[in-house]
Amino acid sequence: QQPVQSPQAVILREGEDAVINCSSSKALYSVHWYRQKHGEAPVFLMILLKGGEQKGHEKISASFNEKKQQSSLYLTASQLSYSGTYFCGTSDRGSTLGRLYFGRGTQLTVWP
Amino acid sequence: KAGVTQTPRYLIKTRGQQVTLSCSPISGHRSVSWYQQTPGQGLQFLFEYFSETQRNKGNFPGRFSGRQFSNSRSEMNVSTLELGDSALYLCASSRQGVNTEAFFGQGTRLTVV
Repeated sequence: QQPVQSPQAVILREGEDAVINCSSSKALYSVHWYRQKHGEAPVFLMILLKGGEQKGHEKISASFNEKKQQSSLYLTASQLSYSGTYFCGTSDRGSTLGRLYFGRGTQLTVWP
Repeated sequence: KAGVTQTPRYLIKTRGQQVTLSCSPISGHRSVSWYQQTPGQGLQFLFEYFSETQRNKGNFPGRFSGRQFSNSRSEMNVSTLELGDSALYLCASSRQGVNTEAFFGQGTRLTVV
């Protein structure tokens, strides 16, 4: 049930855009996005729920295609601070009783 | 508001010993989940507690256990430590559990020698 993230790694110049994808073989109820810098804890970015509700960082945008069981995270006009490993976590249950399954991560490097 | 607090931040233990890690969730959050993070395996779910009850458990041996107190603080215990238990242990707190926003603590870096 582990979601698959793509690409595994991205290298950008400041100001460029990137898209990180997360797909699952199971129907999803929610997708969570986190960014983790080396040696630090994962930082919450966004949660997307079935039905269209979203909560998260105001400078981050993401989509959730329920039919395709996919989510994409859009990073526009990237900054140096965007560097880190991005993880998606997915839940396939509609209640709060389930658990998150995390992808292996996408390593994003932004160069000046 | 205060974030999720994990103590200690670093631990070095020898094989065969046991260890207890602590997690204080964000005020008002009743769900605490524990994860093991290693370079090879990524984020692996250990267990989740809600209102002092274990609701979910991952695929880890019985040496890994946990509990939650009435103030929602949680502890996890690893007995008979093995070298392979060396990892970053993270806890995440949320109001109700999955499908609500979850915030991670800084983690406890456990090294088993």
